[in-house]
Amino acid sequence: KQEVTQIPAALSVPEGENLVLNCSFTDSAIYNLQWFRQDPGKGLTSLLLIQSSQREQTSGRLNASLDKSSGRSTLYIAASQPGDSATYLCVANAGGTSYGKLTFGQGTILTVHP
Amino acid sequence: DGGITQSPKYLFRKEGQNVTLSCEQNLNHDAMYWYRQDPGQGLRLIYYSQIVNDFQKGDIAEGYSVSREKKESFPLTVTSAQKNPTAFYLCASSRGQGYQETQYFGPGTRLLVL
Repeated sequence: KQEVTQIPAALSVPEGENLVLNCSFTDSAIYNLQWFRQDPGKGLTSLLLIQSSQREQTSGRLNASLDKSSGRSTLYIAASQPGDSATYLCVANAGGTSYGKLTFGQGTILTVHP
Repeated sequence: DGGITQSPKYLFRKEGQNVTLSCEQNLNHDAMYWYRQDPGQGLRLIYYSQIVNDFQKGDIAEGYSVSREKKESFPLTVTSAQKNPTAFYLCASSRGQGYQETQYFGPGTRLLVL
């Protein structure tokens, strides 16, 4: 059974810092891995999706990497801003079934203070 | 605007009462999903539907029921058999049935027990 773990559970940083959020998964047979952002009391917004054949994806100040062999993914946020404050979720897609089995991490709560 | 809407934003349930959460999408997506989110835990799949008039149980279907009479709509009923219904409920949809399709999430409904 796939398990997804995110470390740290919470992170507080001053504005302008570069930071890394970590995600590990137990089953390396994934189809893709996705990072989402969730604001308090809101739904999920997709940030980056990395296919299993890719090593990384970039969007603006965000960079996500994937190492299937070690079961790890990282989300790098450059020059953090208070607007980046949210919960970040890592999601592993096992594929292999018609609907796509998603396993969610418990999230990292990020606070960027001015 | 295309998207997924959920209503109500907050819902209160009395003991022994059934309540229904609404999910509507105008993205012309075939597949729809219901997830439950509890504090400190990853999202868990309740039910999913790959096509109209068809739906399948997810990991935690007990105490819940769904219907898919229209492509745009996938309501979730929380029955009195669900003994711990307090949670944040998220609806999602995807274009196709395959695991390669990205899921898009609604804003969520928070269910509280009186």
